[in-house]
Amino acid sequence: DAGVTQSPTHLIKTRGQQVTLRCSPKSGHDTVSWYQQALGQGPQFIFQYYEEEERQRGNFPDRFSGHQFPNYSSELNVNALLLGDSALYLCASSLYGSSTDTQYFGPGTRLTVL
Amino acid sequence: GQNIDQPTEMTATEGAIVQINCTYQTSGFNGLFWYQQHAGEAPTFLSYNVLDGLEEKGRFSSFLSRSKGYSYLLLKELQMKDSASYLCAVSPDFNKFYFGSGTKLNVKP
Repeated sequence: DAGVTQSPTHLIKTRGQQVTLRCSPKSGHDTVSWYQQALGQGPQFIFQYYEEEERQRGNFPDRFSGHQFPNYSSELNVNALLLGDSALYLCASSLYGSSTDTQYFGPGTRLTVL
Repeated sequence: GQNIDQPTEMTATEGAIVQINCTYQTSGFNGLFWYQQHAGEAPTFLSYNVLDGLEEKGRFSSFLSRSKGYSYLLLKELQMKDSASYLCAVSPDFNKFYFGSGTKLNVKP
């Protein structure tokens, strides 16, 4: 049973560039959430996708956008990268409608913006 | 807004018991979760509380008081491998989670 997978593992970009991160949810899960985790901090909720639509959004600018595909996989896009966007980006999957089921996290993508 | 507070760092001795506290103020409440995160790795689920009281799972227990906006994670018989960050997360809304900054636990021999 495959868990949550993310790609790439590491990424280095320069200010102003754009980046796309990818996530495949755990088998049987239909909901994907994205988090940003700065060094020494807890994960910060970016947004959540279900049925190919953004369902919830945290306090992140429009430079952060996403997409969910019919196979439930998801992409996170960040435009006009800033130095402060350097962080670990975590994808978590869950089953929509399950009140007690927790989220399962992927290994993350470490983004460095120079 | 949402506010979740945990101590930044704690140190305990192998074999001992440690309690990590979490206080929260959120616009709603749909459950409280504890995660363990080793350095450079993804968070892994430890426990879930939605009703007041204690939930026990092996060496780990978690307590919740909704009226006080308070939870704690209790780790017994500490092992060196328990050295990690422990994240308290509150779900104020359906399928939405807010995390505290995490408590770094150092277990010493």
